[in-house]
Amino acid sequence: SYVLTQPPSVSVAPGQTARITCGGNNIGSKSVHWYQQKPGQAPVLVVYDDSDRPSGIPERFSGSNSGNTATLTISRVEAGDEADYYCQVWDSSSVVFGGGTKLTVL
Amino acid sequence: QITLKESGPTLVKPTQTLTLTCTFSGFSLSTSGVGVGWIRQPPGKALEWLALIYWDDDKRYSPSLKSRLTITKDTSKNQVVLTMTNMDPVDTATYYCAHSTSRSGWYDYWGQGTLVTVSS
Repeated sequence: SYVLTQPPSVSVAPGQTARITCGGNNIGSKSVHWYQQKPGQAPVLVVYDDSDRPSGIPERFSGSNSGNTATLTISRVEAGDEADYYCQVWDSSSVVFGGGTKLTVL
Repeated sequence: QITLKESGPTLVKPTQTLTLTCTFSGFSLSTSGVGVGWIRQPPGKALEWLALIYWDDDKRYSPSLKSRLTITKDTSKNQVVLTMTNMDPVDTATYYCAHSTSRSGWYDYWGQGTLVTVSS
């Protein structure tokens, strides 16, 4: 089965740029979607199809995907961005989620 | 405005069958391209995809749980039902239903989730 690998945690100071990676075999050939989940809340879609943003998601959130790594980039990080982030793809007609990354804003 | 809400028992005993209902509004599951999926999350752990049903009754299941899952829809009631057999304490989790508009895409609207505890 297809495996998506995310770092367990990423820390960044306010105003800096956070990069959260999602590794998978030839993931560049797939469409990657990203979700933000705050404690006690349902996930929220922040990036879809590698780099598109749903309406209402700040431009500070962006995505890229190439080779074996997809990346969610959060520019000018704010305290309110502290959350868990999950990547997601489709593989062999089923959905796969990454293990999640906890973003800590220092 | 699209909304989804999960309902079902909060406590089930080991070996019992869990039945969860997702009641939605703001879209129709008879519209081409629309799907509703189920995702769960054990306390403190990652998201795990379970199943998805499309407008045309196409169904997809997690390979690791396929033998225990059944997903159905009632278009007239705007509901999707998930059943999971032979429940075990490791199935304790928050169960979410979510809306999708692509066969290989993303979930853009989620329910609030419902916590199901498996314990004798």
